[in-house]
Amino acid sequence: AQSVTQLGSHVSVSEGALVLLRCNYSSSVPPYLFWYVQYPNQGLQLLLKYTSAATLVKGINGFEAEFKKSETSFHLTKPSAHMRDAAEYFCAVSEPGRRALTFGSGTRLQVQP
Amino acid sequence: GAVVSQHPSWVICKSGTSVKIECRSLDFQATTMFWYRQFPKQSLMLMATSNEGSKATYEQGVEKDKFLINHASLTLSTLTVTSAHPEDSSFYICSALAGAGTDTQYFGPGTRLTVL
Repeated sequence: AQSVTQLGSHVSVSEGALVLLRCNYSSSVPPYLFWYVQYPNQGLQLLLKYTSAATLVKGINGFEAEFKKSETSFHLTKPSAHMRDAAEYFCAVSEPGRRALTFGSGTRLQVQP
Repeated sequence: GAVVSQHPSWVICKSGTSVKIECRSLDFQATTMFWYRQFPKQSLMLMATSNEGSKATYEQGVEKDKFLINHASLTLSTLTVTSAHPEDSSFYICSALAGAGTDTQYFGPGTRLTVL
């Protein structure tokens, strides 16, 4: 069985500040890991994914995440927050071959001017 | 590329009626589609996996006779909520895999169902 834990249901940062959204996973096999962003009343947009290649993954909109097997973590970062980054962020895990995603509970990012 | 649409984007229905939601992959063929539901301020929960030409695989606790899924073509999957009740009110989101060898799901914009 696999699970995802996102620490912090709400994160607030100032515009221009570092964004750090935490994600820890549990999986019985080497996982695939994803970060998705959801804007109000919209579906999910893929930010980035890790599928056993480079452990530092760069995604869209300046986001990146690092897979750390020893810490079972896949935290999402962005050096400088923009107002448009305000949204809900979901970390997700899948087992290679199964494809269905297990989502974390989500983190709402607020960006203060 | 890899665009998934859903129709309708929102629907309001009376209790006891049935509602059909369509999920289409617009620019690719999707052998596998997924249906999720999302309650307000909560995460997405997988309801079922839909494979073209075969019966859907439902997650534990999801009533297959209540949530009918049909995946009749490589670009269309439908979810029918039968005899809807207020507790079925939710945001329903579909996703599609863009090919047999990929693990990336592309999500539709979602359908908000409100049952009165």
